[in-house]
Amino acid sequence: GESVGLHLPTLSVQEGDNSIINCAYSNSASDYFIWYKQESGKGPQFIIDIRSNMDKRQGQRVTVLLNKTVKHLSLQIAATQPGDSAVYFCAEIIIQGAQKLVFGQGTRLTINP
Amino acid sequence: KAGVTQTPRYLIKTRGQQVTLSCSPISGHRSVSWYQQTPGQGLQFLFEYFSETQRNKGNFPGRFSGRQFSNSRSEMNVSTLELGDSALYLCASSSQLVYSYNEQFFGPGTRLTVL
Repeated sequence: GESVGLHLPTLSVQEGDNSIINCAYSNSASDYFIWYKQESGKGPQFIIDIRSNMDKRQGQRVTVLLNKTVKHLSLQIAATQPGDSAVYFCAEIIIQGAQKLVFGQGTRLTINP
Repeated sequence: KAGVTQTPRYLIKTRGQQVTLSCSPISGHRSVSWYQQTPGQGLQFLFEYFSETQRNKGNFPGRFSGRQFSNSRSEMNVSTLELGDSALYLCASSSQLVYSYNEQFFGPGTRLTVL
C-alpha cells in the first residue's frame, strides 16, 4: 500500500553543522513532495516542495533531493541554528482525480549549542 | 493579517459524546482543510472544503464530518467519540484553487482528549 516513512525518529546535530533528514516513500505514482516543519505548539509550516520530474530543489539554507530510483527524499539544512529545532516530516501528493496526501511520521531535530 | 484561528484550543470529552471544532481561515482564503495528528498515525488528511463544497476527502469513517459556511469558516464534527479520536486537529487555509500546498497556512490546532 502507499506509505511515507522516515528513517530516523530523532536527530541531534551541533549548531552550525548541516542536517540531513530522510524520508522513504513507496508509491512511484506520487507527483509531488513537500517538507514541513512543526515547532512545539504550532501547526506545520511549509518549507519546500519538489515535483516528481525534478531531482533537486534549493531554498534558503534548505535543499531537497529526490531519488526516484530508490524512492527516497531528503531534506538538507545548512548551518543549522537553534530555531531549526522542530519536528520535520515529509508528505507525498498523488494527483489521480482527487488529490491524495500522505504524510510521514516525522523526525525530531534537536540542535545542540 | 490575522492567521488561521481554531477554537477551542483544548477540549476534553468522554466516549460516546460528539464534538464540534471551529476554524476561521485567513481573510480571503476560500479553501479549508482539516487534518488529524496523533503520535501513532502521524498527520492524516481528513477533508477539504472550497466555497462550501467538500472537494477532497481522506479515509476516515462517517463519524467525521465537516462543513463550510459562506464566510469560509469551517467546522468539523466527530460523533460517538472513541478513545482513539484523541488527537490534535489541525485546520489549514489556502487562497488557491488547486495544488496550493505551498500557500497553505496551518492553525495552531485543537487538542481533543477523549476519556
